[in-house]
Amino acid sequence: EIVLTQSPATLSLSPGERATLSCRASQSVYNYLSWYQQRPGQAPRLLIYGASNRATGVPARFSGSGSGTDFTLTISSLEPEDFAVYYCQQRSNWPLCSFGQGTKLEIK
Amino acid sequence: QVQLLESGPGLVKPSETLSLTCTVSGVSFNSYYWSWIRQPPGKGLEWIGYVYKNGDTSYSPSLESRVTLSADTSKNQFSLNLTSVTPADTAVYYCARDRALRADFDIWGQGIMVTVSS
Repeated sequence: EIVLTQSPATLSLSPGERATLSCRASQSVYNYLSWYQQRPGQAPRLLIYGASNRATGVPARFSGSGSGTDFTLTISSLEPEDFAVYYCQQRSNWPLCSFGQGTKLEIK
Repeated sequence: QVQLLESGPGLVKPSETLSLTCTVSGVSFNSYYWSWIRQPPGKGLEWIGYVYKNGDTSYSPSLESRVTLSADTSKNQFSLNLTSVTPADTAVYYCARDRALRADFDIWGQGIMVTVSS
C-alpha cells in the first residue's frame, strides 16, 4: 500500500500570504497525484490532477508541482475562501487509491 | 450540469447491511467509472471501490470482503452494499465520478451521513 504523508498538519497564515503544502509518497507515484479542497460541511473539490494540471474552474493562484515521491500545492496569494482542508490523493497502481491525512489551512 | 445525489437510510444497526444509491444526471453514465468514498467524522477520506457500466468492479482491499457495488444503466444509478457494519463504518459516504485515465475524482455528490448504532 502506498502511504501519502502531508505536512504540515495545520498551517496558519493570513489572507494575501503564500501557502505551500507538501505531500510525500512512500514510493513513486509518478505524476498520478491529485489535490482536493474541502470546506466545512462540503464535499471535496478537485483542484489539481496529474500533479500540475488545474481542474476546470480552479483559479490560477492554485498550482501543483512535483513528481515521483514529493509534491507541492502552492496558493500564491490566499483569499478568505481558501481556508479549508486540503488532501492529496494518488492512484499510481490503479484502481487502488489512497489519500493523505490532510492539511488544515487556517486563518492566522 | 453534472450532478450526483446519494440516497439511503441515515441510520443502520450493527451487523446489518448498509445500502446506498447514487443517481447521476447531466452526463452519460456509460462513459465513466463511478466510485464510492467515505469519511468518518473528523477524519480523512477512504476510497471504497468503483463500478463500471458493464458491472466490472474493484474494491479497497480493506473492505473487499464486505462490499458489493452494482450499476443500473437504465436508471443512471449505482449502488453500494456494505455488510456486517459496525460503529467504525459510521461516516459521510460520497459518490464520485471516477476519471480512471486521469486517476482522479472530478465530480462528487454532496454526501450522505450514515450512522451505525443500535
